[in-house]
Amino acid sequence: AQKITQTQPGMFVQEKEAVTLDCTYDTSDPSYGLFWYKQPSSGEMIFLIYQGSYDQQNATEGRYSLNFQKARKSANLVISASQLGDSAMYFCAMRPTVPGYQKVTFGTGTKLQVIP
Amino acid sequence: DADVTQTPRNRITKTGKRIMLECSQTKGHDRMYWYRQDPGLGLRLIYYSFDVKDINKGEISDGYSVSRQAQAKFSLSLESAIPNQTALYFCATSEQTGQVYFGEGSWLTVV
Repeated sequence: AQKITQTQPGMFVQEKEAVTLDCTYDTSDPSYGLFWYKQPSSGEMIFLIYQGSYDQQNATEGRYSLNFQKARKSANLVISASQLGDSAMYFCAMRPTVPGYQKVTFGTGTKLQVIP
Repeated sequence: DADVTQTPRNRITKTGKRIMLECSQTKGHDRMYWYRQDPGLGLRLIYYSFDVKDINKGEISDGYSVSRQAQAKFSLSLESAIPNQTALYFCATSEQTGQVYFGEGSWLTVV
C-alpha cells in the first residue's frame, strides 16, 4: 500500500525567503513518481514538479525544487524567493510507474502563507 | 481552453435531488478519474475508468455513480444528494504514468 505524509498542516514564510514543505512516503513499488501540486484559494490544482524514483538528479522548475532523498523516503518541496502569490495549499502525491493500474496517492496538504 | 473541463463549476442543490457533474477532456487520455476533496482529507478517489468499457470503484464510491460516454467524457452522478456530499469535486485524466491533469473543480453544496 502507498502512503503520503505531510506533517505540516500550515506554514508561514516571509516574502523573498525560501521555504521547505515536507513530504514523506511509503511504498513497496520498485519504481514510482513523486509530484507536487499547488492549489490556490480559487480551487484549481496546478502541477508544479515531478521526480522519478530513478532520476539521478533532483528536479527543478524555476523557483521550485524537489529535495529527493530516496533512502529516507522523502520528497520535500523547496520554494525559493517566496512571493505573495505562493500562498496556497500544496499537495504531495505519488504514483507507481509499473504496468497496470497505478493509483495516485495524495497527502493531506500543507497550507502555505507568505507574509509581506 | 482548458484541457479538462468540468460543468457546472458551482452548484447548490437540495437533499434528495439527483445531480450530474460532467467532464470532458482534450488530452486524448484513456484514463479518467473523479476525486472528492474535503478540508483536511486531501483528495479521495471516487471512481476511475481506463477506457469506455472499464469502470472501477475508488475509495469512496458509495452514493455515487459514473458513466463513460466516450473516451473524452466521464460524468459523475449523485442519485440522491445528501449534505455530507458537499465538497469540491475534481475530474482528472492521465496517461499510464506521469502527472495527473485536473479540471478546474466543481463546488457542490447540498442543503
